[in-house]
Amino acid sequence: GQQVMQIPQYQHVQEGEDFTTYCNSSTTLSNIQWYKQRPGGHPVFLIQLVKSGEVKKQKRLTFQFGEAKKNSSLHITATQTTDVGTYFCAGPDETSGSRLTFGEGTQLTVNP
Amino acid sequence: NAGVTQTPKFQVLKTGQSMTLQCAQDMNHEYMSWYRQDPGMGLRLIHYSVGAGITDQGEVPNGYNVSRSTTEDFPLRLLSAAPSQTSVYFCASSRLGRPYEQYFGPGTRLTVT
Repeated sequence: GQQVMQIPQYQHVQEGEDFTTYCNSSTTLSNIQWYKQRPGGHPVFLIQLVKSGEVKKQKRLTFQFGEAKKNSSLHITATQTTDVGTYFCAGPDETSGSRLTFGEGTQLTVNP
Repeated sequence: NAGVTQTPKFQVLKTGQSMTLQCAQDMNHEYMSWYRQDPGMGLRLIHYSVGAGITDQGEVPNGYNVSRSTTEDFPLRLLSAAPSQTSVYFCASSRLGRPYEQYFGPGTRLTVT
């Protein structure tokens, strides 16, 4: 079945440093979604990428969808303590468009 | 709108007990799903539904039952709890069709002793 993998599993940074998490799919994706989960909270939708090579920005967050639509990345510039949490990517199932397969997530901690 | 609500927030069960985790949404979403979250394993799909009366298995369905009698409600039943079912359970909903953003409930933290 479809697999979605994320690296790294954990990332510790000093406040002000940049952070990147990478997402790779075993199959070509029609689109990819990113979610953020704060400690003790629930996942919250951040963004969806649809087009090959698409780049979208949300303030200090930059999301990219690979040309082959099999990988994606999330880059945070100058991390802040409010960025702490786990970031998940998710891709749609090949047979059921609404069903998502989530990556394992990257847990980000930021030292002030 | 309350969004997606889940009850209870916390639950402790003994091995062999049964219980139902409740999930409700007020956004008229056709698609609803249950995930379990374990450390280092991300979100794994247990069961999902594309509308009232229609359910299907996800990645890890064993030991769980679901039903969908209304658009709003999607309860998850643990038939005979096992320690391996200790986890955090999230219910989510979305519009049906091309992937739309999923709205997650606050979660239920379940411990089976």
